[in-house]
Amino acid sequence: AQSVAQPEDQVNVAEGNPLTVKCTYSVSGNPYLFWYVQYPNRGLQFLLKYITGDNLVKGSYGFEAEFNKSQTSFHLKKPSALVSDSALYFCAVSPGDNYGQNFVFGPGTRLSVLP
Amino acid sequence: DVKVTQSSRYLVKRTGEKVFLECVQDMDHENMFWYRQDPGLGLRLIYFSYDVKMKEKGDIPEGYSVSREKKERFSLILESASTNQTSMYLCASTSVVNEQYFGPGTRLTVT
Repeated sequence: AQSVAQPEDQVNVAEGNPLTVKCTYSVSGNPYLFWYVQYPNRGLQFLLKYITGDNLVKGSYGFEAEFNKSQTSFHLKKPSALVSDSALYFCAVSPGDNYGQNFVFGPGTRLSVLP
Repeated sequence: DVKVTQSSRYLVKRTGEKVFLECVQDMDHENMFWYRQDPGLGLRLIYFSYDVKMKEKGDIPEGYSVSREKKERFSLILESASTNQTSMYLCASTSVVNEQYFGPGTRLTVT
């Protein structure tokens, strides 16, 4: 069975500093990996995904993520954090050979960017 | 833009009531999902559907049922609401090899 871990409940970073939100996964076969962001009292918004190809993927709002197969990780990064990036971030995985029928989400990491 | 709408943003129901949560998507997506979101637990899959009249149980289907009579509409039913079903409910849809699109969520309180 697949699973997703986000080892940090909370990440605090100063505005202008780089940020990293960590994600590790376990899935059979090739993984399809996703990051979503949730602002207060809203649904989840898609940020970026890894399906195949270049291990570094770029997404919305200046975010990027690096797929590392040997470490089974897909950490979310941004070179310079903004206060408006403060939100709840979810990593998700779906098995490539059964895509669309089973997504698993991590527990979420709350990012606080301090002015 | 893909749009996923949910029938209510906030809902308050009494214990034992039958509750219907409706979700509609406008992009002809095959797959639709219902999740509940609780603090510290992330999103947990209740049911999903990959076609009209087709449904599959997710991780926590107990106490819930679903209906998909039309491709664009996926309903979640709480047969007899209980206080432990107080939660945020999120609907999502996707087509093959694409990300999920989420509705705004329904915050359900059962008293």
